[in-house]
Amino acid sequence: GEDVEQSLFLSVREGDSSVINCTYTDSSSTYLYWYKQEPGAGLQLLTYIFSNMDMKQDQRLTVLLNKKDKHLSLRIADTQTGDSAIYFCAETYNQGGKLIFGQGTELSVKP
Amino acid sequence: DVKVTQSSRYLVKRTGEKVFLECVQDMDHENMFWYRQDPGLGLRLIYFSYDVKMKEKGDIPEGYSVSREKKERFSLILESASTNQTSMYLCASSSTGQGGYEQYFGPGTRLTVT
Repeated sequence: GEDVEQSLFLSVREGDSSVINCTYTDSSSTYLYWYKQEPGAGLQLLTYIFSNMDMKQDQRLTVLLNKKDKHLSLRIADTQTGDSAIYFCAETYNQGGKLIFGQGTELSVKP
Repeated sequence: DVKVTQSSRYLVKRTGEKVFLECVQDMDHENMFWYRQDPGLGLRLIYFSYDVKMKEKGDIPEGYSVSREKKERFSLILESASTNQTSMYLCASSSTGQGGYEQYFGPGTRLTVT
């Protein structure tokens, strides 16, 4: 079946860049997403990328998409303690609005 | 501002009880979803609905049912709660045809079954 894989943990120092990686299996995905979940809260959409793009930049966030390798990454520049959260990547699946989520990467930012 | 609300943030129930989790969205979205979230497993889809009175099984529907009598409301029902249903439950909605199928999430209900 379709699958989205992420590493579970990432720890960085405040001010460094964070790179969170994701691999997916459905080559027909039209959109890929990054969501952020702060402690005790629901998921909030951070950004998304359309499948015909290689890169998207939004302030401190850079999304890179390698369709050949089915690899998606999220780079957070100048990481702050407020960026500590769980980050989920997700792909569209089979049209119709369903999303397939990865396991989530817990980002810990140390001062 | 878009809003998805869930009836409870925390819930404690006993084994065998019938449990209702309610979700309401105010965005006139056609699609609604119920997920459960467990550490290391990410989000797993329980049920979803594309329209009023319609429902589709997700990846883990066993032990759950749903009801969608009105467009804005999607209820998740645990017919006979068991301890392995202790989890965080997240509701989401989206609009068919909206570019990107972005899903909007509620704050979650943390259910403990004792």
